Amino acid sequence: GAVVSQHPSRVICKSGTSVKIECRSLDFQATTMFWYRQFPKQSLMLMATSNEGSKATYEQGVEKDKFLINHASLTLSTLTVTSAHPEDSSFYICSASYPGSIRETQYFGPGTRLLVL
Amino acid sequence: GENVEQHPSTLSVQEGDSAVIKCTYSDSASNYFPWYKQELGKGPQLIIDIRSNVGEKKDQRIAVTLNKTAKHFSLHITETQPEDSAVYFCAASKQAGTALIFGKGTTLSVSS
Repeated sequence: GAVVSQHPSRVICKSGTSVKIECRSLDFQATTMFWYRQFPKQSLMLMATSNEGSKATYEQGVEKDKFLINHASLTLSTLTVTSAHPEDSSFYICSASYPGSIRETQYFGPGTRLLVL
Repeated sequence: GENVEQHPSTLSVQEGDSAVIKCTYSDSASNYFPWYKQELGKGPQLIIDIRSNVGEKKDQRIAVTLNKTAKHFSLHITETQPEDSAVYFCAASKQAGTALIFGKGTTLSVSS
C-alpha cells in the first residue's frame, strides 16, 4: 500500500503553546488529506478535510481557529494546534488519498500523540 | 449525516476459530465500505474494502459481505491467529477518497 508519514510521532508541550504536526504522502500525490482525532479506546473522529491549494473543510464542532490546517502541496499537509490546552491531548491521525486514481483509498499515517501539560 | 454502528465491541476467540464483526449504516448514499485494523499506538491499516456494486469480496482469510438493502456489512476472518488480535474499525463514505465515518471499533482477542 501507499506510505503516509507523520512527524513528530509524539510531542509534549506546555499549556498555551502551539504545536505543528506534519503529514506527508511519501510515494504518491495526495489531492485530499484528512485529519482525525482519537481518544483512548475510542473511534476516529473526523476533524477536517483538506484539498490541496484550497481551504480546509471543518466538521461541526471543530474550531478552525484552534486547529489550523494547511495543504500547500500534493505531498504535505500540516495541522497546527494553537494555544494548546490539556483537553487537546489526544492521538492525531492523518490520511491521504487521490480520488479517481489507484490511490483513491485513504491511507493512514502512524499518528501523533500529543500531551499538553 | 451518516451514522455507523458496529458490534460487538469486544470479541474473544480461540486460535483457528472464525470471527465475525457486523456494521450497519444509515445513509443510503454511502457506496464505499472499508475495514481497518489498528494495533496499539499505530495508525489504522486498510485490510479490505467493498463498493456498493459488489455483494462479497474475499482476500485469503478475510472476507467482507454487503447487504445494501438492509444497510449492513460484515467482516469475516477465518482461521484466526494471535497476530489478528487488534482493534477493527468499519467505516462508510459516499465514495472512496471522501470523508469516512467510522464505527466505534471491535477489540478482537485471539488466544492460542
